[in-house]
Amino acid sequence: SQTIHQWPATLVQPVGSPLSLECTVEGTSNPNLYWYRQAAGRGLQLLFYSVGIGQISSEVPQNLSASRPQDRQFILSSKKLLLSDSGFYLCAWRPLYRGLGVNYGYTFGSGTRLTVV
Amino acid sequence: DAKTTQPPSMDCAEGRAANLPCNHSTISGNEYVYWYRQIHSQGPQYIIHGLKNNETNEMASLIITEDRKSSTLILPHATLRDTAVYYCIVSSSYNQGGKLIFGQGTELSVKP
Repeated sequence: SQTIHQWPATLVQPVGSPLSLECTVEGTSNPNLYWYRQAAGRGLQLLFYSVGIGQISSEVPQNLSASRPQDRQFILSSKKLLLSDSGFYLCAWRPLYRGLGVNYGYTFGSGTRLTVV
Repeated sequence: DAKTTQPPSMDCAEGRAANLPCNHSTISGNEYVYWYRQIHSQGPQYIIHGLKNNETNEMASLIITEDRKSSTLILPHATLRDTAVYYCIVSSSYNQGGKLIFGQGTELSVKP
């Protein structure tokens, strides 16, 4: 079965410090991968998505970047955190499209709650 | 991606059916209707999806109108654990990486 791992669960970082959040998926290949942020308890904002190794699409300009060094690994980074980067970060995956009859529903990780102080 | 419109909040009595509406009047032919829910401080959970036929699984039923411009998620016997924010999303499975754009959703409160 497929599983998604995201860590750490909580993180407190000072302003100006770097950030690295990691997400890995097991039990599937060539997944589409996504990073979301939830800043206010509701409203998930799509930050980045990837349809393959090294392929990153950015949805909003921001202080963050994403990388996909391996097929099932997705990393969210920042060189210098801002207070506004605080939030609940969620990684998700869905199967690569390969025709009808497949459930393309997302599976989300358990999230990382980041507080920038 | 087509946008959706949902009521911001709804109440439902425990044990009764919860019917959550969603309007998606600009949906295109290759876009599916997806429903997710998010319980406080957790990641969203997939509930159900459909293209044009009604769908049912162990969690819920999805009724899509014939013109596909609206849909209703039905939780047949709501429990207190169904209290959550419910998101209706329309998305292609393959365009633009199959990305899902979440709106504000409906906050469902199931009351004893």
